[in-house]
Parts: sequence; structure tokens; C-alpha cells
Amino acid sequence: AQKVTQAQTEISVVEKEDVTLDCVYETRDTTYYLFWYKQPPSGELVFLIRRNSFDEQNEISGRYSWNFQKSTSSFNFTITASQVVDSAVYFCARETPGANNLFFGTGTRLTVIP
Amino acid sequence: AAGVIQSPRHLIKEKRETATLKCYPIPRHDTVYWYQQGPGQDPQFLISFYEKMQSDKGSIPDRFSAQQFSDYHSELNMSSLELGDSALYFCASSFRRSGPDTQYFGPGTRLTVL
Repeated sequence: AQKVTQAQTEISVVEKEDVTLDCVYETRDTTYYLFWYKQPPSGELVFLIRRNSFDEQNEISGRYSWNFQKSTSSFNFTITASQVVDSAVYFCARETPGANNLFFGTGTRLTVIP
Repeated sequence: AAGVIQSPRHLIKEKRETATLKCYPIPRHDTVYWYQQGPGQDPQFLISFYEKMQSDKGSIPDRFSAQQFSDYHSELNMSSLELGDSALYFCASSFRRSGPDTQYFGPGTRLTVL
């Protein structure tokens, strides 16, 4: 099966610390898309980023940054200077063109302690 | 910007009853997806529709059916409810006509089966 693995089930950090959430994926496709979603305690799923397999450039958006490494099949997510509002479950997911659905990892629960 | 609307937000049913969940996609989006998220689990893909036709099917039980209407809204019909159907049901929408696109999720419907 083409899996998405988020080995870190739960992470706790103290406010203002940096934290990296790991995501490793399997795929047999040459073209694919990877995503990160955030699920805060209120329950909704919030889109954070979409990356296609041909674009390995790292991306930064404010305190968030993503490191996509095709050679190691990883798409890691770093939060710099974490804040209490970052406390949530973060899901990594992949979509294969033509499959029309997202396959999620099991999620990482991040708790930021004030 | 308009988001995906789901109704109802909360639903309580008895075993063996039926339930209908509704989803109104983001305007101009042509594709709707349904996901089920059990307690402490990642979202699992159920079914999707593109331009009112079923596009892809995941782990949707035979007791469930869905359709997309001419105004692009979608309904998920669930019959003979079981305790294990208690979950958060998400609808997502995207604009696929020009190729793969990001799925944006609604706030979810929390179904409790007693």
C-alpha cells in the first residue's frame, strides 16, 4: 500500500520553541501531491500547504516552513517560535492524480505549553 | 471568502435510524468529497463526485449512499445506523476542471449514534 507515515504520535513543546513534524510517504507514482492540514481542538480541517512532486523547493510562510526531500520521501513541517494557538493535530496527506481523494497519515498531536 | 457549508453540525440518532448529511461546496467548485473521521483517527475517504457523477469510491459501507445535485450540493444518506457510525463526517470541495486542485474542508457534522 502507498502509505503516509507520521511516526510522532504526540509532541509537547514549550512556547517559543521550534518544532518539526515528520512525514514520510510511499508512492509508485512519478506525479503526486502532498499536503499538510491542521485540525485544532474545534475540529475543522484547515489547509496549510500543497506541494507537487516536481517542486522540491522549500517553502516558508511566516512561522511555518516545509522541507520536501524526494530522495528520502519526506515532507517535514517546521513551526518556528511556537505559540499556544499552534496546539492541534497536524495531518500529512497525499493525493495521486486521477484518484480524486486524499490519503492521510495518522496525525501528530502538538501541544504547546505556555 | 465563502467556505464549505455542512449541515447539521451535530446530529444524534438511535441505532437503526437513518440520517442525511448535507454539504454545500465553495461556489464554482465542481467536485465534492466525503470523509469519515472516527475518534482519535485520521479522516478516511468515503466517496467523491465530479460534475454530479460519482468519481471515486473508498471505504463507504453499502448502508450509505450519496449524490451530487444540479446545484452541486451533495447529500450523504446513512441508513440502519450502527454505534460504529458515530464519527465526524467531513465534506470537502475542489475545482478539478483544470486539473488537480486543493480540497477545502467544511467544519464537519458530528454524528452520535446511541
